[in-house]
Amino acid sequence: EVQLVQSGAEVKKPGESLKISCKGSGYTFTSYWINWVRQMPGKGLEWMGIIYPGDSDTRYSPSFQGQVTISADKSINTAYLQWSSLKASDTAIYYCVRHRDSGKIYNPFDLWGQGTMVTVSS
Amino acid sequence: EIVLTQSPGTLSLSPGERATLSCRASQSVSSSYLAWYQHKPGQAPRLLIYGASNRATGIPDRFSGSGSGTDFTLTISRLEPEDFAVYYCQQYGSSPRTFGQGTKVEIK
Repeated sequence: EVQLVQSGAEVKKPGESLKISCKGSGYTFTSYWINWVRQMPGKGLEWMGIIYPGDSDTRYSPSFQGQVTISADKSINTAYLQWSSLKASDTAIYYCVRHRDSGKIYNPFDLWGQGTMVTVSS
Repeated sequence: EIVLTQSPGTLSLSPGERATLSCRASQSVSSSYLAWYQHKPGQAPRLLIYGASNRATGIPDRFSGSGSGTDFTLTISRLEPEDFAVYYCQQYGSSPRTFGQGTKVEIK
């Protein structure tokens, strides 16, 4: 089965670090761009950035540049989203999502992970 | 950055009725790289339409998309109970990719 499976929910304190994961299976992980999308409580979808696991080419939305780090380990078919110092405003659901077509950077979002809920509270 | 504005914010309709959702872009969307997603609570979003008018795999033909340039429309010809959800448009032809703020289709 072609799928993206994300790591479980996290509860953290402000200032802590965090790395969440997204594991792909059932397809050639290195051939498809992976995006990260945020949904804050009661709000809409926001694109954070994108990575090509084949060569780790990474691009960020200006809104998230410097706030998070996107990475991938192609040896274990896993992409990551990490924070060095969380804020309460990082509380959200985070989705990883794959493009519909292999190799294309401008492409619709076709395969979604189940989402990871991150709660940051003192 | 391309800003997408969806209207209306909420659409109150009955099953069997037709739904028409609008998405307007602040500048022309490259090569009609416009998609529509359905999002239900507790689930991941689902791709419905890409390239402005192409149905994604497994999407029923009651869903259709149209438009080009800066004006796009998603039409649901006859609402089924499972269609009540939030719908987002997205442009994926330029960076940053952007989403509209969403239209909630609720049961009247």
